Amino acid sequence: EAGVTQSPRYAVLQEGQAVSFWCDPISGHDTLYWYQQPRDQGPQLLVYFRDEAVIDNSQLPSDRFSAVRPKGTNSTLKIQSAKQGDTATYLCASSLSAGGRWEQYFGPGTRLTVL
Amino acid sequence: AQKVIQVWSTASRQEGEELTLDCSYETSQVLYHLFWYKHLLSGEMVFLIRQMSSSTAKERSGRYSVVFQKSLKSISLVISALQPDDSGKYFCALWELRTGGYKVVFGSGTRLLVSP
Repeated sequence: EAGVTQSPRYAVLQEGQAVSFWCDPISGHDTLYWYQQPRDQGPQLLVYFRDEAVIDNSQLPSDRFSAVRPKGTNSTLKIQSAKQGDTATYLCASSLSAGGRWEQYFGPGTRLTVL
Repeated sequence: AQKVIQVWSTASRQEGEELTLDCSYETSQVLYHLFWYKHLLSGEMVFLIRQMSSSTAKERSGRYSVVFQKSLKSISLVISALQPDDSGKYFCALWELRTGGYKVVFGSGTRLLVSP
């Protein structure tokens, strides 16, 4: 079974530039999560979807960040006008809500540096 | 407010020893799950073990087990027979079940070095 895949693995931007991250969850997983993990900190949940619906995006900086999962499978996280404070690893994870186990399986992450 | 605290930022042991990593949490919810993850050098976050708030069973998975002290809001990860490959960063995470969804908070992690 293929794991969660993410691309690109690395991104370097100047402040003000835009960037998109792509995630392909484990096949059959209905729930998909995006996390931001600053260096030497734990992951912080930005947004999560069940199928194509956003369940919680309260931690997503809505003025510059957006996330979609139009068909309930792959997802894209976009940052408009990146800031130096956005420097972090962006992790995607997926899980199966049925059974109430909630174990999340993480992708390798995209390491973003904003200069 | 929810909070997950891992007091020790680093730990080191010799191969073959046993290690306990501590995690404390704050929650006002009745139903919640606690997870331990290992962050590999490759960047991957690997699920290790889970503890349900409603369970009194002593969870175990291979060399991993947990000590769950619900009244103290504490959960410790025990790793037995340490191997150099156990080196990495370990995160504790709290999942709270709430109406319409759930909230998740990770601790800041403990970095472990196991020497041969």
